[in-house]
Amino acid sequence: QVQLVQSGAEVKRPGASVMVSCKASGYTFTTYDLNWVRQAPGQGLEWMAWMNPNSHNTAYAQKFQGRVTVTRNTSINTAYMEVSDLRSEDTAVYYCARGPYDYWGQGTLITVSS
Amino acid sequence: QTVVTQEPSLTVSPGGTVTLTCASSTGAVTRNNYPNWFQQKPGQAPRALIFTTSHKHSWTPARFSGSLLGGKAALTLSGVQPEDEADYYCLLYYGGGQVFGGGTKLTVL
Repeated sequence: QVQLVQSGAEVKRPGASVMVSCKASGYTFTTYDLNWVRQAPGQGLEWMAWMNPNSHNTAYAQKFQGRVTVTRNTSINTAYMEVSDLRSEDTAVYYCARGPYDYWGQGTLITVSS
Repeated sequence: QTVVTQEPSLTVSPGGTVTLTCASSTGAVTRNNYPNWFQQKPGQAPRALIFTTSHKHSWTPARFSGSLLGGKAALTLSGVQPEDEADYYCLLYYGGGQVFGGGTKLTVL
């Protein structure tokens, strides 16, 4: 069965960087796009980035340009999202989701606090 | 900065019908925005309900339907069940980017 398993929760200081991983199984990793979405506590969903794991073409929401990078390692069917220069407002649950949004990871809570 | 607007909250009685809408600050929503709809319950990841305006996933209950209505994307629930109480989000595609609506909190009362 299709699964997306994300890395565990982290606590980071302001100004630090964090990398969230998303390991795919149950399907051919390179045949579906991957999206990254976040949700701040008590808030709505926010689209962050998109990646084609085959071509490594990427797209980013304007507000995250230059601060978010999505990559992948096709040999281990894993996608990564790095967020740099973390701020308190980056505290959120971060999700990866397969292209059609039919399958989602379990979410990774990133807490930014001094 | 494109803004996608949904009703903040709606209330419906069990067995009733309710329509949630999704508007774009850029103008009328069209099929080229590939509207998607998601349901989210507390403590859970979102679950996809509708893609490309009106197509249902295999797990989407028949009482959910998607359409375009008056320049907006719409999600209609017919014969609402208590378990439909949740937050609902739409997602619109714009060229190389995507924008979620702010969400609608649906109360079944």
